[in-house]
Amino acid sequence: QQPVQSPQAVILREGEDAVINCSSSKALYSVHWYRQKHGEAPVFLMILLKGGEQKGHEKISASFNEKKQQSSLYLTASQLSYSGTYFCGTPQSSNYKLTFGKGTLLTVNP
Amino acid sequence: GAGVSQSPRYKVAKRGQDVALRCDPISGHVSLFWYQQALGQGPEFLTYFQNEAQLDKSGLPSDRFFAERPEGSVSTLKIQRTQQEDSAVYLCASSLAGPLSNQPQHFGDGTRLSIL
Repeated sequence: QQPVQSPQAVILREGEDAVINCSSSKALYSVHWYRQKHGEAPVFLMILLKGGEQKGHEKISASFNEKKQQSSLYLTASQLSYSGTYFCGTPQSSNYKLTFGKGTLLTVNP
Repeated sequence: GAGVSQSPRYKVAKRGQDVALRCDPISGHVSLFWYQQALGQGPEFLTYFQNEAQLDKSGLPSDRFFAERPEGSVSTLKIQRTQQEDSAVYLCASSLAGPLSNQPQHFGDGTRLSIL
């Protein structure tokens, strides 16, 4: 079951904040977040684990609401480099197979 | 190398030809994944290897698609008798550990395949 991302697209001015949501109709074990720029590889941002842990390496935060089966990615004080398409991926069970959403296109303008 | 390397970056083939796409994962990574990404869509799972063993090929669209990883490092995705609907970006990803959902996957830049 493919997770649903919202919004589909968002345009920001540099310094503004954005929230990207990812929801699933099935129980979530974890949520993976990636950013992909045009013609490039998806880049790992963060993993949200059941139980509230998060693993990531960028100054971007996220939440994981198990009851609502939803994760949100928070981008604060956006920079031009934040532009790209953000994908969430959810495993179908506790294993490796990720199902990705259709993506959220984020554009940050000067 | 520092990251996952895929070759070629672009491939144009005539309908009916066979193609082979190569993936060099990050050294030491146990898990290797192939995904297909259509324009404007997220990556779709094709197949998964743990070392040299292909543990899951449930996402391969047809028996024209074949993947291998004979020595547990480099992998090749082969498509026989290509069709126009095979046109897409094929992404390879690797991760350090085994089949766990809490491990980040590191992607290559992909091969953009165009079937004429």
